[in-house]
Amino acid sequence: KNEVEQSPQNLTAQEGEFITINCSYSVGISALHWLQQHPGGGIVSLFMLSSGKKKHGRLIATINIQEKHSSLHITASHPRDSAVYICAAENFGNEKLTFGTGTRLTIIP
Amino acid sequence: DAGVIQSPRHEVTEMGQEVTLRCKPISGHNSLFWYRQTMMRGLELLIYFNNNVPIDDSGMPEDRFSAKMPNASFSTLKIQPSEPRDSAVYFCASSYGGASNNEQFFGPGTRLTVL
Repeated sequence: KNEVEQSPQNLTAQEGEFITINCSYSVGISALHWLQQHPGGGIVSLFMLSSGKKKHGRLIATINIQEKHSSLHITASHPRDSAVYICAAENFGNEKLTFGTGTRLTIIP
Repeated sequence: DAGVIQSPRHEVTEMGQEVTLRCKPISGHNSLFWYRQTMMRGLELLIYFNNNVPIDDSGMPEDRFSAKMPNASFSTLKIQPSEPRDSAVYFCASSYGGASNNEQFFGPGTRLTVL
């Protein structure tokens, strides 16, 4: 069973700061997913990556397969980025996701 | 597309009652997932289907839980009898592909409260 750990659990930052959320997993995976859950509860897929780096607007996700580690970065953070960010490891050969416990991000104006 | 549709959005019931949660995946998607989210355990996969066939139900807590997918556009998750510890938010998600490395699209969730 894949163990997925995220850090930090909670993060409060000032608007404009550069944000980094970390995710590590214990067993080799086919892909790593980053999800965003807004205060209203809805879950949105941000990234799915199996190597290298992906960028979407102010969000950047990276993964190091050898080190079994992924990071989610937010540049020029904004209060609307306040949400819970969840990483999930996808097993080889199927679509099962094992989730981290999430990082609650609060951006203060 | 309307996205993944779940109903009801909120359900309050008494212990012992049967609860049925419903999900309509995105048209054309062939994988469907049921997840449960609680404060204590976070998000957990309960069961997932590919082409209407259950592939992995190892996350289903016990015999009180059952899930069906009679066709490509509809799935149900049933709890009978319900217990207070079943209180959680239940999410349905769908994807296109079936093997791996496919983005999953989540529904808005059903918040279940069992009194």
